[in-house]
Amino acid sequence: AQKVTQAQTEISVVEKEDVTLDCVYETRDTTYYLFWYKQPPSGELVFLIRRNSFDEQNEISGRYSWNFQKSTSSFNFTITASQVVDSAVYFCALSDWGGATNKLIFGTGTLLAVQP
Amino acid sequence: DAGVTQSPTHLIKTRGQQVTLRCSPKSGHDTVSWYQQALGQGPQFIFQYYEEEERQRGNFPDRFSGHQFPNYSSELNVNALLLGDSALYLCASSFPGQSSYNSPLHFGNGTRLTVT
Repeated sequence: AQKVTQAQTEISVVEKEDVTLDCVYETRDTTYYLFWYKQPPSGELVFLIRRNSFDEQNEISGRYSWNFQKSTSSFNFTITASQVVDSAVYFCALSDWGGATNKLIFGTGTLLAVQP
Repeated sequence: DAGVTQSPTHLIKTRGQQVTLRCSPKSGHDTVSWYQQALGQGPQFIFQYYEEEERQRGNFPDRFSGHQFPNYSSELNVNALLLGDSALYLCASSFPGQSSYNSPLHFGNGTRLTVT
C-alpha cells in the first residue's frame, strides 16, 4: 500500500541552526512523484518541491535542499540557517498512481519550531 | 491573480445537521480536489472533480458528496454530521486535465468545521 512516514512529530531548533526533516515512503509504483508542502498557521498548504522517481539528483533552492534516495525510499528536507519564519508544519506527500488524478498521500507532518 | 478561495473560513454545526463548503479554483485551473485534515494529521483525499464529474474518490462514506459547476467552482456537502467530521477541509486545484505528474496542487486556506 502507498504510505508516507514522517517519524519526527515535532522539532525545535534555535535560529541559524540547520535542521533536517525525514520522510520515508512506500509504493508499488515504479513511476511516482514526491512532494514537500509547508503549512503555516494560516492553514494553506504551500508547495515547496516536486521530484519524480527517475531523478535522484539532490536539489538546492536557497536555504532549502532535498535529498532523494531511492535505495532507502527516503526524501529528506534540510533547511540551512533556519529562521523564525520557517516555523510551520511540513508535510511530505506521495502521488498515488490513479491515472489522471492528482491524489496525494500525505504523511502526518513535522511541526518545526524555530526559536529566536 | 487570485489563488484558491474557500468559504466560509469557520463553521460550527450540530450533530446530524448538513453542511456545504465552497471552493473557487485558481484562475486557469479546472480540476478541483477536496481533502480532510483532522487535527494533528495529514490531509486525506476525499474526491476530485473534473469536467463536472467525480473522477476519483477516497475512503469516505456516501455522506460526503460534491459538485462542480460549469465555472469550475465546487461544493463539498456532508450530511448527517458526526463529531468525527470536525476537521479542516482543504480544497486544491490544478492545471487543465493534468495529473500531479505535471502540475502540483494549489491549496486554499481551508474551512475549519466544528461539529458539536
